[in-house]
Amino acid sequence: AQSVTQPDIHITVSEGASLELRCNYSYGATPYLFWYVQSPGQGLQLLLKYFSGDTLVQGIKGFEAEFKRSQSSFNLRKPSVHWSDAAEYFCAVGAGGATNKLIFGTGTLLAVQP
Amino acid sequence: DAGVIQSPRHEVTEMGQEVTLRCKPISGHNSLFWYRQTMMRGLELLIYFNNNVPIDDSGMPEDRFSAKMPNASFSTLKIQPSEPRDSAVYFCASSLGGGGSSTDTQYFGPGTRLTVL
Repeated sequence: AQSVTQPDIHITVSEGASLELRCNYSYGATPYLFWYVQSPGQGLQLLLKYFSGDTLVQGIKGFEAEFKRSQSSFNLRKPSVHWSDAAEYFCAVGAGGATNKLIFGTGTLLAVQP
Repeated sequence: DAGVIQSPRHEVTEMGQEVTLRCKPISGHNSLFWYRQTMMRGLELLIYFNNNVPIDDSGMPEDRFSAKMPNASFSTLKIQPSEPRDSAVYFCASSLGGGGSSTDTQYFGPGTRLTVL
């Protein structure tokens, strides 16, 4: 069955530092992968998605993610974090088949220090 | 577009009462999803509809939960009777495509924070 693992529950970085959030998936075929961000008290907003083509995907707010099939990973990166990036980040994989369900990871809570 | 609209944003009720959560998807979207988010269990898919038809309700916790989509622009999630363990944030999301279109982006509403005392 499809699954998503986000090994880091909580990460703290300094403003201006680089960021990498980890995501590993389990899926038998080519996965459809997503990163969402949830600000406090808000719904989830799509940052970026991958379904084919270039394995380096650019998203909104300066984020990017790289699909690595050999490592079953889809890590999210940002070269310089801003205080407004403090939020919870969710990785998700499409469940596949005749469905458009998503399987979400447990999330990584990002704190940004001034 | 106004995005996915959910009401109410906050609901406080007493155990045993009926609770109805409402969702208006983005106009033209064919799929609608109900999620529940808690600290303990994270984000769980409860049910999803395609073209107003329930496709997968395997995530609905028990018979106390029911969901309907009478038309393309409205869905409800009902809990009757409510229990304290139902306290959570309930999200509605919609996407453009129908089944088999896993690339479709799901757009989330702001959520309803439910507290059952």
